[in-house]
Amino acid sequence: DTGVSQDPRHKITKRGQNVTFRCDPISEHNRLYWYRQTLGQGPEFLTYFQNEAQLEKSRLLSDRFSAERPKGSFSTLEIQRTEQGDSAMYLCASSLAQGRQYFGPGTRLTVT
Amino acid sequence: QKEVEQDPGPLSVPEGAIVSLNCTYSNSAFQYFMWYRQYSRKGPELLMYTYSSGNKEDGRFTAQVDKSSKYISLFIRDSQPSDSATYLCAMSLQLDAGNMLTFGGGTRLMVKP
Repeated sequence: DTGVSQDPRHKITKRGQNVTFRCDPISEHNRLYWYRQTLGQGPEFLTYFQNEAQLEKSRLLSDRFSAERPKGSFSTLEIQRTEQGDSAMYLCASSLAQGRQYFGPGTRLTVT
Repeated sequence: QKEVEQDPGPLSVPEGAIVSLNCTYSNSAFQYFMWYRQYSRKGPELLMYTYSSGNKEDGRFTAQVDKSSKYISLFIRDSQPSDSATYLCAMSLQLDAGNMLTFGGGTRLMVKP
């Protein structure tokens, strides 16, 4: 399967813990996006990378959130000191420059 | 007020019906318009992609964009139970400026056999 993959698919954590998610984009896609989707809502843009450079961050991305794409391939999204309001589906998408975005299956985070 | 508004539904139709899904938006700078389908607990899947105003047809799906009214539509002909999903409209400004997508809240569609 050459689609976008995300790991883990589901993460349950206690409030205050740190969590890290991974996204593997479609190979040769140089753009990688992170979105967050809460129940009953559409996805909301968080941040995006072109190769290894993080070019845009949403106001939604508080200082507890950090994303990296160290070699321009896979990306990680870390949330520090998780809060119950962080419970959501975290979606990764990738694209060629100016191309259509293809989404992964998402990581569902539940903060208890 | 959200930039992109979409009736959340649920919309329930019998198999074979024509379905009309709609979004309105407030930012006249949006140029690219998309429809995604999302099954429960899955990531969104791109269905249709259009640029500026006009119609685009792909099989049973037709997308319409009316930029003067800031209104986009997706029509599904001969709807099938497998079309039951949440449909998300999405739009973006310029492809060379990051192409971040702004989504509507999604409309949940149920097609009954």
